[in-house]
Amino acid sequence: DVKVTQSSRYLVKRTGEKVFLECVQDMDHENMFWYRQDPGLGLRLIYFSYDVKMKEKGDIPEGYSVSREKKERFSLILESASTNQTSMYLCASKKTAQPQHFGDGTRLSIL
Amino acid sequence: DQQVKQNSPSLSVQEGRISILNCDYTNSMFDYFLWYKKYPAEGPTFLISISSIKDKNEDGRFTVFLNKSAKHLSLHIVPSQPGDSAVYFCAASSSNDYKLSFGAGTTVTVRA
Repeated sequence: DVKVTQSSRYLVKRTGEKVFLECVQDMDHENMFWYRQDPGLGLRLIYFSYDVKMKEKGDIPEGYSVSREKKERFSLILESASTNQTSMYLCASKKTAQPQHFGDGTRLSIL
Repeated sequence: DQQVKQNSPSLSVQEGRISILNCDYTNSMFDYFLWYKKYPAEGPTFLISISSIKDKNEDGRFTVFLNKSAKHLSLHIVPSQPGDSAVYFCAASSSNDYKLSFGAGTTVTVRA
């Protein structure tokens, strides 16, 4: 069974902090994704990666960056956290031509 | 601008009856459609998909219908069970794109 693991279920940070969200998958998937989920807006894609060291902007990349140094790990970085980045963050991975598999999410609060 | 729309935020249905969830899309390049189910405090899980070469796909109690001319798809759950109470997301992509576009979700409550 595919396992996508997000390092934290809940996280509280302060405005201006640099925040790292980590995601690891154990199925050798080429593609990995970061979304945020907000009420009434569904899931919105922040960044995705189709290979190691490769990244592409999604629909809402502003204020975020990503890192993919190893195939199994995809990190989301909030360079300087702001209150409007309080959200549920979801990581996903997939093999080409297969559905995405999601982690259980990180609920991030920026105070 | 959201390219995938789920206009009903919530749906309440009696156990044993049919649940019908609707989804509309605007991008004519979309040719692959999925439904995901999400319980609170868990990530979305894949439920069922359909390619644009079909107009119906069935998997047990779940059937997805696609009307390409209307840019509309629907998910039917028959019969509805209490464990089906969850948020359902419609998603779409084009075959030459890694990205999925998601709707805002519909919360289904199945009443005993």
